[in-house]
Amino acid sequence: GDSVTQMEGPVTLSEEAFLTINCTYTATGYPSLFWYVQYPGEGLQLLLKATKADDKGSNKGFEATYRKETTSFHLEKGSVQVSDSAVYFCALRHNFNKFYFGSGTKLNVKP
Amino acid sequence: DGGITQSPKYLFRKEGQNVTLSCEQNLNHDAMYWYRQDPGQGLRLIYYSQIVNDFQKGDIAEGYSVSREKKESFPLTVTSAQKNPTAFYLCASSMADRETLIFGNGTRLTVT
Repeated sequence: GDSVTQMEGPVTLSEEAFLTINCTYTATGYPSLFWYVQYPGEGLQLLLKATKADDKGSNKGFEATYRKETTSFHLEKGSVQVSDSAVYFCALRHNFNKFYFGSGTKLNVKP
Repeated sequence: DGGITQSPKYLFRKEGQNVTLSCEQNLNHDAMYWYRQDPGQGLRLIYYSQIVNDFQKGDIAEGYSVSREKKESFPLTVTSAQKNPTAFYLCASSMADRETLIFGNGTRLTVT
C-alpha cells in the first residue's frame, strides 16, 4: 500500500544553517506530494506541494522537488530561522482522496 | 473567515464513557477526514467522508464511529471499545477535485 517515510527527529540547527529533511514514498502511479507544518498546539498547515514528476514546490524559502526516479520529496531551506521551529510532515495523496502522512520531523532552531 | 472549527480544544473523560468530538467547516468542502496523532507516530486516518450520508473506514477505525448528516459537520464518537483513546484528534477537509487538506486546530482527548 501507499506509505511515506521521513527522517526521524529531532533535528537541531543553529539559526541561518541549511536544512534538509528527507522524505521518500511508496505508491503506484503518480501521487501528489506535500509538506505540511505544525506549530505547537495547532493543526497542520500546507507548506508546499508538487503534483507531478520534476515539479518543484516552494514557499517561505522552503523548497522540495518531486523525484520520481528516487521516489523522494526532500524538504530544503537555505537559512533557517528560530520561527521555523515546528514539526514537519511529508504526505502524499493518491486514490479516492486519501492522504498518507509520514511520522513527522521536529525541527529546533537555536538563536 | 472560512475554516474548520474543532471543539472543545481539551476534553477529559472517564474510562468506559463514550465521547463525541465536534468538527464544523464553512468552506463548502465535499470531503472531510478524522486523523489521530500520537507522539512519534504521525497522523493515522480514522474515517473519511466524500459526500453527505457516506463515509469510509480509514486505517484505525476500530472503536470509533462517525456520521455525516450535513455537509458542514462530521462528528467523531470515541466509544468505550477504543482501547487507547488518549490522543490528539485532527479534523480536516478538502474539495473533491482539489488536493489540499485544510486542518482544524485539534482536540486533545484525555481518558483516565
